[in-house]
Amino acid sequence: SQELEQSPQSLIVQEGKNLTINCTSSKTLYGLYWYKQKYGEGLIFLMMLQKGGEEKSHEKITAKLDEKKQQSSLHITASQPSHAGIYLCGAVPIQGAQKLVFGQGTRLTINP
Amino acid sequence: NAGVTQTPKFQVLKTGQSMTLQCAQDMNHEYMSWYRQDPGMGLRLIHYSVGAGITDQGEVPNGYNVSRSTTEDFPLRLLSAAPSQTSVYFCASSSAQRGIYEQYFGPGTRLTVT
Repeated sequence: SQELEQSPQSLIVQEGKNLTINCTSSKTLYGLYWYKQKYGEGLIFLMMLQKGGEEKSHEKITAKLDEKKQQSSLHITASQPSHAGIYLCGAVPIQGAQKLVFGQGTRLTINP
Repeated sequence: NAGVTQTPKFQVLKTGQSMTLQCAQDMNHEYMSWYRQDPGMGLRLIHYSVGAGITDQGEVPNGYNVSRSTTEDFPLRLLSAAPSQTSVYFCASSSAQRGIYEQYFGPGTRLTVT
């Protein structure tokens, strides 16, 4: 079965600093989805990556999928308190599957 | 649009009790899912539905039942609650048009079983 490993599990950074969260799969990813969860709330979709080498950006968040489609990174530039929360990666376990498998999440804290 | 709504927000049950977690969406989405979130384990899929009258099991279906009689509603039933079912439960929906993996999540139901 598809397993997604996120690292680090938790991260504390100073406001204004850059940071990276990684999501690694044991198998080829047929689609990689990044979500953000504010504490005590539901998840919000951030970005989708499907092709090897693909990179997408939204405001100060950039997500990449490696060429082998087994690892994705989420990079935040000049972090702000609004970036705090839990980031989860989700993947399609097999091609055509109608469900997502999620990693365990990375808890991000931004210190002022 | 209200999006995805879940009730109740909090619930405490005793072992052996049954209850239904409600989920509704007003976006006419075909796909709906139930997840549970436990510390250090991310989200795990319980059951999902690709349309009214069609449901399927996810990773952790034991102890839970679902039905989908309408497009809007997707209730999750706990048959006989156990302490291992203490968790935060999220309902999500998505559409084929926008992409079934771009899911809209409800605010969650925090369940404690004593």
